[in-house]
Amino acid sequence: DVKVTQSSRYLVKRTGEKVFLECVQDMDHENMFWYRQDPGLGLRLIYFSYDVKMKEKGDIPEGYSVSREKKERFSLILESASTNQTSMYLCASSSGLAGGDDEQFFGPGTRLTVL
Amino acid sequence: DQQVKQNSPSLSVQEGRISILNCDYTNSMFDYFLWYKKYPAEGPTFLISISSIKDKNEDGRFTVFLNKSAKHLSLHIVPSQPGDSAVYFCAETSGSRLTFGEGTQLTVNP
Repeated sequence: DVKVTQSSRYLVKRTGEKVFLECVQDMDHENMFWYRQDPGLGLRLIYFSYDVKMKEKGDIPEGYSVSREKKERFSLILESASTNQTSMYLCASSSGLAGGDDEQFFGPGTRLTVL
Repeated sequence: DQQVKQNSPSLSVQEGRISILNCDYTNSMFDYFLWYKKYPAEGPTFLISISSIKDKNEDGRFTVFLNKSAKHLSLHIVPSQPGDSAVYFCAETSGSRLTFGEGTQLTVNP
């Protein structure tokens, strides 16, 4: 069974703080993704990575950065947290081998609140 | 501009009846559409997919229909069960990327 774990289920931070969200997958997947989920907006892609040390911007990268130093770990960084970054953050991974229907496996999510 | 739209934020059906969840898209150059289900406090899980070269795919109680001329797909759940109550997302693939719709909250009443 694919396992995607996220470091925290709930997080409360203050405006201006630097925030790290960690994601680890145990299936040797090539691809990793960070999304945020907001009511009425669905899941929106922030950043993704096809390989170690490689990153690509998604649809809403502003205010975020990422790091992938090891294949199994993909970190999302909020350099200076703002209240509009209060959201549910979801990490996902996929093998990158299945072509068009490459299933993504999701972690349980981190509910981040920025005060 | 939202490429994948789920125009119904919520749907309520009786147990045993059919649930029909709808999704419209704008991009004709997709490879697959996937449906994901999400329970509260859990990550989304894959449910069923359909290739652009097919018009129907069935897996047990779940069937997805694709109407390419109308750029519309639908997920049918028959019979609906209370455990199906969740948020359902359709997603379009582009390489390994997914573009999700807004989601539809399905509630199946006992």
